Amino acid sequence: GNSVTQMEGPVTLSEEAFLTINCTYTATGYPSLFWYVQYPGEGLQLLLKATKADDKGSNKGFEATYRKETTSFHLEKGSVQVSDSAVYFCALSLYNTDKLIFGTGTRLQVFP
Amino acid sequence: EPEVTQTPSHQVTQMGQEVILRCVPISNHLYFYWYRQILGQKVEFLVSFYNNEISEKSEIFDDQFSVERPDGSNFTLKIRSTKLEDSAMYFCASAEQRGVADTQYFGPGTRLTVL
Repeated sequence: GNSVTQMEGPVTLSEEAFLTINCTYTATGYPSLFWYVQYPGEGLQLLLKATKADDKGSNKGFEATYRKETTSFHLEKGSVQVSDSAVYFCALSLYNTDKLIFGTGTRLQVFP
Repeated sequence: EPEVTQTPSHQVTQMGQEVILRCVPISNHLYFYWYRQILGQKVEFLVSFYNNEISEKSEIFDDQFSVERPDGSNFTLKIRSTKLEDSAMYFCASAEQRGVADTQYFGPGTRLTVL
């Protein structure tokens, strides 16, 4: 079946550290891939996306590259800030459906 | 910026009781969704709704669940007879377009606790 697997959290980092949150997927066909972020008390917000192999999504200093050969879409940021503390969700969608398939989410905690 | 709102933020109920979770989608959106996340598990799709009918539903969305758009602004999820395993965070989402998954805007969620 179609699924998304994320690394377990929490991920705890000091400000300005490098961030990687791993995400791998299983899908029939060629999915679109997404990262959503949820700040405390708010809804899920789209952070970035990639719709085909080798595409790189980027936003607010975060990046993720669609790797078909490793079925991965790892989230990276070169220098995290305290304000990046949130829960990050990896997700996919398949062609001709608007259903999102999510991972479990990874909590990121950044300390000054 | 327009946003999806959900009420209540936390609902506690006894097993076997009916609950209604409420959502106010963004005003010009036409496609509506419910997802849920059981603690420690994945966010799961429940149902999508368009033009006053269900477009797609998951295996989770059995006869105990129903959705409704009663008044043109609210979008509700009803659980007829709650079970312990219905305890979860329930997210509502809305979208202007269909088939372009990144246009879904999510609410902050309602935490449902079934005792």
